[in-house]
Amino acid sequence: GAGVSQTPSNKVTEKGKYVELRCDPISGHTALYWYRQSLGQGPEFLIYFQGTGAADDSGLPNDRFFAVRPEGSVSTLKIQRTERGDSAVYLCASSLAGAIDTQYFGPGTRLTVL
Amino acid sequence: EDKVVQSPLSLVVHEGDTVTLNCSYEVTNFRSLLWYKQEKKAPTFLFMLTSSGIEKKSGRLSSILDKKELFSILNITATQTGDSAVYLCAPYNNAGNMLTFGGGTRLMVKP
Repeated sequence: GAGVSQTPSNKVTEKGKYVELRCDPISGHTALYWYRQSLGQGPEFLIYFQGTGAADDSGLPNDRFFAVRPEGSVSTLKIQRTERGDSAVYLCASSLAGAIDTQYFGPGTRLTVL
Repeated sequence: EDKVVQSPLSLVVHEGDTVTLNCSYEVTNFRSLLWYKQEKKAPTFLFMLTSSGIEKKSGRLSSILDKKELFSILNITATQTGDSAVYLCAPYNNAGNMLTFGGGTRLMVKP
C-alpha cells in the first residue's frame, strides 16, 4: 500500500512569508508526527496527533508554528513569518495507535527560507 | 532531558569491510530503541529492540541492546556501496509521545 506522502518536496520562500506543508499518512494510522531535521542532525520532534487532536505539541519552537489535522488523516504544518533559521527538512511520520514506537516516515519537505 | 549520542559521527570504509555503529542513551521510562537508515530524506526502519542481549538480524545487518549499560550497536558485515547512508538510533520514552533521535552516523562505503 501507499506510504506516507508529503508535499511539496521542496519549498523555497522569502523571509517573512507564510508556508504550509502537507502530510498524508498511511491509511488507517491514527497517530501522526511532525519532526524537523536540520543539516547534519537527527530529526527533532515537533508535534504529535492522535486522531484529530494534538496530543503533544511540546516540540513546536514558538508560536509561529502551528499544525492541524481536522479530519484525523491529512495534516498541515503551518509556519508564519518564516525566518532563515526555519530552513530544514520537515519530516512527517505515522503509526498505528498502539505502536507509537514503530513510525513510518515520509520523504520530507525541504524548506529553504531566503 | 533525554540524551542520545551516536559514534562515530562519520565513517569511510571499503566494500567488504565490517562496521560497528554505536548509540548510547539516557532516557527516562525507556521502552524500546529503534534504528533507521536515512539515504535521502525518509528514514527507513531497520530494527526495534526492546530486550537486552537479544540480537536482531536482517541479512548483513544485526543489532543488539544493552539496557544495563544503556547502549546499542548496529553491525554491518560485508559492506556494499548501497549501505552508504546516515544511520539513526532513536530510543522511545514510554512516558512521551515521540522518538528522540541521535545525530546519526554518516557511513560511506567506497568501491
